[in-house]
Amino acid sequence: SAVISQKPSRDICQRGTSLTIQCQVDSQVTMMFWYRQQPGQSLTLIATANQGSEATYESGFVIDKFPISRPNLTFSTLTVSNMSPEDSSIYLCSVEVTTGGSGTGELFFGEGSRLTVL
Amino acid sequence: ELKVEQNPLFLSMQEGKNYTIYCNYSTTSDRLYWYRQDPGKSLESLFVLLSNGAVKQEGRLMASLDTKARLSTLHITAAVHDLSATYFCAARRTYKYIFGTGTRLKVLA
Repeated sequence: SAVISQKPSRDICQRGTSLTIQCQVDSQVTMMFWYRQQPGQSLTLIATANQGSEATYESGFVIDKFPISRPNLTFSTLTVSNMSPEDSSIYLCSVEVTTGGSGTGELFFGEGSRLTVL
Repeated sequence: ELKVEQNPLFLSMQEGKNYTIYCNYSTTSDRLYWYRQDPGKSLESLFVLLSNGAVKQEGRLMASLDTKARLSTLHITAAVHDLSATYFCAARRTYKYIFGTGTRLKVLA
């Protein structure tokens, strides 16, 4: 497994501002992802954070709105830029860890960052 | 594009009853996962299903996978209140994990 720490755990932000969420993992991982979970909804993949290169964004998400950094194999940040109330969500950092003798990948999650935009 | 659907979306059941949650996915998937999420909490991994016919059980929960039908099920046996949570399935294709719509389960005493 992996221990994933996210900061901040929650924040209340003003419209038009930006907020950076940090994700720290207790071991080196190759695959790191950022998800968004809107209230009462499922998880939507925002992007894959690639170490040493630009993140790979999913349809509907763009780098200008959600810039991502991945300076090494244990750390990543997600910035939510120019926030609006529609950005109020839980943002989850997750990592894939290989478990068991068969080398099966499994996804583990941080505790999430709950953002409220006023 | 891989899409994952679950049904039902909401499930209210009496303690002691059995029920099944269904997870359908649209294209070939590497493997299938089940997660549990309690209110205000993150996701907890329950099961990883690797191949056709795979079955895993933990306590009152049993998960199975039929890759030909692109269907996974999560069966709840003799439900208890502690099982109240939201359950998600997720399918993995290449390196991405795509989550289902979630099933909000409420077990009534």
